[in-house]
Amino acid sequence: DGGITQSPKYLFRKEGQNVTLSCEQNLNHDAMYWYRQDPGQGLRLIYYSQIVNDFQKGDIAEGYSVSREKKESFPLTVTSAQKNPTAFYLCASSAWDRNTEAFFGQGTRLTVV
Amino acid sequence: GESVGLHLPTLSVQEGDNSIINCAYSNSASDYFIWYKQESGKGPQFIIDIRSNMDKRQGQRVTVLLNKTVKHLSLQIAATQPGDSAVYFCAENISQDDKIIFGKGTRLHILP
Repeated sequence: DGGITQSPKYLFRKEGQNVTLSCEQNLNHDAMYWYRQDPGQGLRLIYYSQIVNDFQKGDIAEGYSVSREKKESFPLTVTSAQKNPTAFYLCASSAWDRNTEAFFGQGTRLTVV
Repeated sequence: GESVGLHLPTLSVQEGDNSIINCAYSNSASDYFIWYKQESGKGPQFIIDIRSNMDKRQGQRVTVLLNKTVKHLSLQIAATQPGDSAVYFCAENISQDDKIIFGKGTRLHILP
């Protein structure tokens, strides 16, 4: 089945450690996005990529890094520089054509312990 | 800051009644709007979309209205059911940025 897959669903990290969240899609979508969601809040854009080997910062990119070496994959690394990393992270993808909806993964809940 | 916002954070509706969830946006350049439904612990799911050249679009039990004059978007859910309980987000596509920007969300509670 076509879709977008995030892994793991739950992730625990010690303070000071980097951690990488996986996002894979087989929808042949050009654009991919990472959002952060805090409890009772909306989605805030971290990074997005419109094409392989290119990506742009969103509204809250500090403390995060991404790569887009393959069309299907857009991993997000939460670095030790991120001061408050505990959150629900959502990955999405959409077709290159403007005015198409984004499809979301099921999310990764990251907890710093 | 975000250019899309919601008027009410929580909405309680009697089962069987119609629900209306509102959204305001500030960027007149936005030309595409989407409503998403998010259940607890899950990713948002697409409900319905509308382009800026339209005023109204209907789906199954849902209708989206767009008023470009006052930059207002609404989602109407007919005959609300318990399964409609979720957080609803509106989102806009800002074409020149190719970004999808989300509002803060409205939690819909269904009363028995």
